[in-house]
Amino acid sequence: QQPVQSPQAVILREGEDAVINCSSSKALYSVHWYRQKHGEAPVFLMILLKGGEQKGHEKISASFNEKKQQSSLYLTASQLSYSGTYFCGTESRNAGNMLTFGGGTRLMVKP
Amino acid sequence: NAGVMQNPRHLVRRRGQEARLRCSPMKGHSHVYWYRQLPEEGLKFMVYLQKENIIDESGMPKERFSAEFPKEGPSILRIQQVVRGDSAAYFCASSPQQGYEQYFGPGTRLTVT
Repeated sequence: QQPVQSPQAVILREGEDAVINCSSSKALYSVHWYRQKHGEAPVFLMILLKGGEQKGHEKISASFNEKKQQSSLYLTASQLSYSGTYFCGTESRNAGNMLTFGGGTRLMVKP
Repeated sequence: NAGVMQNPRHLVRRRGQEARLRCSPMKGHSHVYWYRQLPEEGLKFMVYLQKENIIDESGMPKERFSAEFPKEGPSILRIQQVVRGDSAAYFCASSPQQGYEQYFGPGTRLTVT
C-alpha cells in the first residue's frame, strides 16, 4: 500500500513556505524525498533513516517520526526553481530496498 | 562520474512487438531498480536486481515482462508482445548498497501504437 501525501497540490508565491506530509500505514525503515520536474527524472533530495531524524539542505529540510510513521518536507522561502512534483518513497522493515512512492505533491511557485 | 544512463530515451513500438530498455548504473553501483510511471501519476516499483540476481520482482507483471542484470553490460527490461497499456515512462535507478539513496536515470518513454 502506497504512502499518502498531502496536500496533493499547492501554489505559492516566491518567498513563501510550504510543508508536504507523507504518511504510511506500515512500519518504516526509511523515507526518501525526490523532486521531479515535468518530463524529467526524479532528483534525490534527502533520505531519513532514524526515527526522529531531521535533515536540512539549504532551505529544504525534512523530519521523520518513526512512531507515527510520518515524514514531512519543509520548504522555506521558496524559489521559482522549487516548482515540481515532490514524491516521498518509503522503505518498510523487512522489505529489502524496495521503495513505495506516494502519489506526489504538485508544487507551483509563482513570482 | 557519469550518472545513471538509459537508452533509448524514446521508443515507439507497434502492438505485438518487443521492447528492450537498457540501464547502465552509476559507476560503483551494483543495485538496480526499475520503476514505471504513467502520465500524471507516481512511480511504481517493478523489479530490484543486483549483478546476475533478481532480488525482488514483486512489482513486475508475471507475463511478458522480464529483467536481467548480467555480470557484464547494462541491465535490461524486456517487454514482449507490447500492448497499448504498456505505454509509460520507465525509469531505472541505482544505489551503491541496500538502504542507500537511489539515483534515477533520465527514463525511457515507451509509446505503443
